[in-house]
Amino acid sequence: SQQGEEDPQALSIQEGENATMNCSYKTSINNLQWYRQNSGRGLVHLILIRSNEREKHSGRLRVTLDTSKKSSSLLITASRAADTASYFCAPDSYNTDKLIFGTGTRLQVFP
Amino acid sequence: GAGVSQSPRYKVAKRGQDVALRCDPISGHVSLFWYQQALGQGPEFLTYFQNEAQLDKSGLPSDRFFAERPEGSVSTLKIQRTQQEDSAVYLCASSLVGGADEQYFGPGTRLTVT
Repeated sequence: SQQGEEDPQALSIQEGENATMNCSYKTSINNLQWYRQNSGRGLVHLILIRSNEREKHSGRLRVTLDTSKKSSSLLITASRAADTASYFCAPDSYNTDKLIFGTGTRLQVFP
Repeated sequence: GAGVSQSPRYKVAKRGQDVALRCDPISGHVSLFWYQQALGQGPEFLTYFQNEAQLDKSGLPSDRFFAERPEGSVSTLKIQRTQQEDSAVYLCASSLVGGADEQYFGPGTRLTVT
C-alpha cells in the first residue's frame, strides 16, 4: 500500500540549527502533505505540495518534492524549542482519497 | 473558530464491552476520516466518509469495528466486544472537499481496554 516512510526516525539539534527530514513513498501521487504532532496541539497540517510542484515554502518551512525519486524533504530553518514534535509525511495516491502516514521523525530541539 | 471535536477524550473499557466514539467535524466539511494511532506509530487509516456515504472502509481491522455518519455531519465509531489490542488513540479528521485536501484533526480519544 502507499506509505510515506520518514528518515531519520529521530533527530536532536540545538535551537537555531536547521532540521531536515526525508520521506520516501512507493507509487504515483497527486500530492503529498506534511503534518506535525505534539502533545499540546495534536496533529496539525503544515504544508501540501502537489505532484507538479518541486518546492514550496511556508514561513520557516521548505518542502521539496522529487517525483522521479518518489521522495520529499522537509527543512525547518532556525529551529526553536517549540518545533519539538513528531513530523509525518502523508502521500495520497491517484485511486484513493485516503492518506497513508509513516511512522514519523521525532525531532527534539534543545534550548 | 470551532475545530474538530471528539468525545470522550479518554475511555477505559473492560475487555468485551462495546464502546462508541464521537466525532464532530468542522461545520460544512464534506469529508470525514477515522484513524487509529498506536503508541510511537503514525496514524493508520480506518475509514472515510464523503457526506453520509462511507466510501472506503478498507482500514477497519475487523467486523467488530463499525462507523456511521447518518446525516453527513457527526460521526460515530463503534467497537464491539473490545479487545486489548484495540487500545490506541482514535483520531477523527475532516476536510472541506475531497480526501486529498488538507485534513483538520481532532484531539483524539484515548481508548484503554483492560
